[in-house]
Amino acid sequence: KAGVTQTPRYLIKTRGQQVTLSCSPISGHRSVSWYQQTPGQGLQFLFEYFSETQRNKGNFPGRFSGRQFSNSRSEMNVSTLELGDSALYLCASSLEPSGGTQYFGPGTRLLVL
Amino acid sequence: AQSVAQPEDQVNVAEGNPLTVKCTYSVSGNPYLFWYVQYPNRGLQFLLKYITGDNLVKGSYGFEAEFNKSQTSFHLKKPSALVSDSALYFCAVRATQTGANNLFFGTGTRLTVIP
Repeated sequence: KAGVTQTPRYLIKTRGQQVTLSCSPISGHRSVSWYQQTPGQGLQFLFEYFSETQRNKGNFPGRFSGRQFSNSRSEMNVSTLELGDSALYLCASSLEPSGGTQYFGPGTRLLVL
Repeated sequence: AQSVAQPEDQVNVAEGNPLTVKCTYSVSGNPYLFWYVQYPNRGLQFLLKYITGDNLVKGSYGFEAEFNKSQTSFHLKKPSALVSDSALYFCAVRATQTGANNLFFGTGTRLTVIP
């Protein structure tokens, strides 16, 4: 079975721009979660989607948003980029949201200049 | 609230020696605990998890972890370290709020296995 895939793998943007990252979960997995990884803050939860609905959200500003499609693929969007948004963005999928193991993709590395 | 602590930023061990990467947790109720490993420029790879049952959990690549409720610890172990085990290791606990599935991660421990 193919793993979680994320596109693009690398991205360079400038302050004020917006960006959309994509995540395709493992086939059959219906829950998708997003995390941000930075050297200073470590791994932090952004949000989780299941059945096209956001079930849970971390402590991030409203500039960070996401959505999930009927095929369980998910996108996250960051508007009005700031330098501090430079990070590795990780997507994870699980069969169900209720305690299932989360399997992570390779991440999208975003650099904001 | 829930949290995870990894008290060691760096662990060095000689190849062939046993290794231990420490993790302690704080959670109300029964913990769901996980270990992940991250190699350079890669995402997180799942190693093992504790939900319930035996306190000794066996996982991928010869790793195991021991759940100790009284000490609120979940240390990762391997009897004989390989150079290829050198990586960044994260301990995580699942959120306990009803309906939440997100993970809270420790700060990570960089394991270096010396040939």
